Amino acid sequence: QSVLTQPPSVSGAPGQRITISCTGSTSNIGAYYDVHWYQQVPGTAPKLLIYKNTNRPSGVPDRFSGSKSGTSASLAITGLQAEDEAEYYCQSFDNRLSGVVFGGGTKLTVL
Amino acid sequence: QMQLVQSGPEVKKPGTSVKVSCKASGLTFISSGVQWVRQARGQRLEWIGGIVVRSADTNHAQKFQDRVTITRDMSTRTVSLELSSLSSEDTAVYYCVSGTVFPLGLSPFDSWGQGTLVTVSS
Repeated sequence: QSVLTQPPSVSGAPGQRITISCTGSTSNIGAYYDVHWYQQVPGTAPKLLIYKNTNRPSGVPDRFSGSKSGTSASLAITGLQAEDEAEYYCQSFDNRLSGVVFGGGTKLTVL
Repeated sequence: QMQLVQSGPEVKKPGTSVKVSCKASGLTFISSGVQWVRQARGQRLEWIGGIVVRSADTNHAQKFQDRVTITRDMSTRTVSLELSSLSSEDTAVYYCVSGTVFPLGLSPFDSWGQGTLVTVSS
């Protein structure tokens, strides 16, 4: 069982907006540790999508955005495209475990 | 951003050890941290541990406390992960990743190796 909880799956039609939640606790997200997000297309290595809660690396479209509040974080994707179909993971640090923790992953299906 | 190239797939017997290497290219090697993450088929990402390249300080997940060794060779710009006492549960793709935020545990992973499949089977 993951320390960070994500919904197993989300779906949306092309052009729509979806959000993926990442729920933690007072020992990780709620302890003010940053949240990072990754996109993984099947058969490939994950790719950094959002870092430090809200920042996009160069080359990541502004359709992707992140937010954080309390013990949770969210990834939003607007203007959904077929190429966005992938698995998405959140990452943070947990001071009880003294290490990096990941969410269980969310599979995004573009209908 | 660094480029990370990992060693090839491995097949190991239970109870033995495996060593996976990760060769880095790019200007930021000495100022970076390199960590290891694994992913069993169809499963989530799992953090193993990492090393600060400049100081060789390491940390690792409590789960791997007695089984993991992470080292770096500055002359070859290579970081290695050795995992001992293998079992079938260690079958996974192992990724080396890098970042430049310290402490290591706070860093996003902005570069990823291509992954190395380690299969543990009798």
